[in-house]
Amino acid sequence: DVKVTQSSRYLVKRTGEKVFLECVQDMDHENMFWYRQDPGLGLRLIYFSYDVKMKEKGDIPEGYSVSREKKERFSLILESASTNQTSMYLCASRKDSLNTEAFFGQGTRLTVV
Amino acid sequence: AQSVTQPDIHITVSEGASLELRCNYSYGATPYLFWYVQSPGQGLQLLLKYFSGDTLVQGIKGFEAEFKRSQSSFNLRKPSVHWSDAAEYFCAVGAWQAGTALIFGKGTTLSVSS
Repeated sequence: DVKVTQSSRYLVKRTGEKVFLECVQDMDHENMFWYRQDPGLGLRLIYFSYDVKMKEKGDIPEGYSVSREKKERFSLILESASTNQTSMYLCASRKDSLNTEAFFGQGTRLTVV
Repeated sequence: AQSVTQPDIHITVSEGASLELRCNYSYGATPYLFWYVQSPGQGLQLLLKYFSGDTLVQGIKGFEAEFKRSQSSFNLRKPSVHWSDAAEYFCAVGAWQAGTALIFGKGTTLSVSS
């Protein structure tokens, strides 16, 4: 069974902290994605990676960075957490071919206080 | 640029009634189209997908969707809704290029009344 695993279901962090959200997939997928989900706004793409050490900005990259040192792992980094980054974060992966869907992790609910 | 519009934010349907969730997309060529479902506190699960061929696609849990190029639509349907179908539903569009991300609509929340 395909699997995308996010390291935490719930996180509470303080304003100004550096926060790491980890995502691991076991499907040997080339592409990995970080989305942010907020009520009424749907899923918005933060960053994605199409290969190891490669990344592309999505629609809302400000305040975030990413790291992909290994194919199976894609990390989202909040350099200095702010309260407006309180949200649900969803990681996904997808095989790098034309007719495939994305597989999602369970999500990380991050609260910044 | 690709975009997806789900015109209905919230829909309530009686159990046993039929369901149609609307999705309109904007894309310059034939897109890849998807419907995902999200139960509270969970990640997204794929219901069905359209890549090419037959414009009526069948998915899991009794759902189906029809691709209509002339209307730029990909509406999701189910003939008889069950209480367990209450969830949030997302339509997504993808490009034909490898290494690109899916673009999602804002979602439609489905409530099922008894």
